[in-house]
Amino acid sequence: SQKIEQNSEALNIQEGKTATLTCNYTNYSPAYLQWYRQDPGRGPVFLLLIRENEKEKRKERLKVTFDTTLKQSLFHITASQPADSATYLCAPRGYSSASKIIFGSGTRLSIRP
Amino acid sequence: NAGVTQTPKFRILKIGQSMTLQCTQDMNHNYMYWYRQDPGMGLKLIYYSVGAGITDKGEVPNGYNVSRSTTEDFPLRLELAAPSQTSVYFCASSYSTGGMWNTEAFFGQGTRLTVV
Repeated sequence: SQKIEQNSEALNIQEGKTATLTCNYTNYSPAYLQWYRQDPGRGPVFLLLIRENEKEKRKERLKVTFDTTLKQSLFHITASQPADSATYLCAPRGYSSASKIIFGSGTRLSIRP
Repeated sequence: NAGVTQTPKFRILKIGQSMTLQCTQDMNHNYMYWYRQDPGMGLKLIYYSVGAGITDKGEVPNGYNVSRSTTEDFPLRLELAAPSQTSVYFCASSYSTGGMWNTEAFFGQGTRLTVV
């Protein structure tokens, strides 16, 4: 069955450092992979999308990589700030499960001043 | 545009009662989704719809029903509420066409449901 795995443990990072979050998937061949941010008590908000033929995508302090051989995406936040503290969710999409959006369990990121 | 609107925001149900969670979107999106999120856990897909009149099961459909009579509305029905259905429910919508699934999903603010 299809499976999406994200770091189950919370990630605690010192302000200013780079945070790196991992999304691994099995039994998927996604055409795209999306990353969302969720704050407590709120719905997720879309951040970035990367296509299967793209190795890397950047948006301001965010960087996403997509390795279809390793079946993995990495999400980086450079120069992290306390305001970046949230839960980050990945969602592979396309081909066999095109219509559905299935999310990983998310990684809770905490940036300490 | 209001985006995705869910009502109610909070509800307490007694075991065995029924209720409908309302979801409406004003973005003319064809895809709509219902998720539940238990405390400290990830989002689980309950049902989704790719257009009016078309719905399909997600990961955890048992105990729920949906309908999609219009593009805008996608209500979620709970029959015979059970304590296991205590959760936060999120509705979402997105637009996809021509086999392209690269568009983002927009979420409502959630409905916090407690079954006692």
